[in-house]
Amino acid sequence: DTGVSQNPRHKITKRGQNVTFRCDPISEHNRLYWYRQTLGQGPEFLTYFQNEAQLEKSRLLSDRFSAERPKGSFSTLEIQRTEQGDSAMYLCASSADRSQHGYTFGSGTRLTVV
Amino acid sequence: DAKTTQPTSMDCAEGRAANLPCNHSTISGNEYVYWYRQIHSQGPQYIIHGLKNNETNEMASLIITEDRKSSTLILPHATLRDTAVYYCIGGTYSGNTPLVFGKGTRLSVIA
Repeated sequence: DTGVSQNPRHKITKRGQNVTFRCDPISEHNRLYWYRQTLGQGPEFLTYFQNEAQLEKSRLLSDRFSAERPKGSFSTLEIQRTEQGDSAMYLCASSADRSQHGYTFGSGTRLTVV
Repeated sequence: DAKTTQPTSMDCAEGRAANLPCNHSTISGNEYVYWYRQIHSQGPQYIIHGLKNNETNEMASLIITEDRKSSTLILPHATLRDTAVYYCIGGTYSGNTPLVFGKGTRLSVIA
């Protein structure tokens, strides 16, 4: 297992365009989390899944954001009508229930909206 | 989740022990103390967690005060590769409540 994989690593898009990011978690992990991080700040929680069910969404997640995890495997995060304020690093993490090893994070997708 | 307070930054000489403090006076009885670190341009990396007993693993040691209002992460022999932002987080072990990150402590290990 190569850990949590996120694609693409970098994305530059024009304001108003839609973007989609993908996260492939560690295969035996049933929990998957999305975070957003801007410069100088810690990661901010966006949403999380247990298997295919989306259990919690942050108030930060406006209606332009949607996340899915079909079949409880990989997950996608889509941002519609991107704004310059969406520029950030988008991090995905996965974990098992009551994990002794905490969350495993991917390397993130850096989004730049121009 | 318990709110934690950490110093903004710290320096440590290479080869010396790095002691990173964290205050979590509002932590509840069932909340663990988790430590993560984030090296530049990478995702956070889990280090260690504990409830009330001191813990040690291959990366670090965690010392939790008896009243559980504070803890210290110890890197026994800091190297340049330990330069990172270190986050102290209070959270439940079940994983039902996602971890909430603060701004952490920026540790600079100096040669």
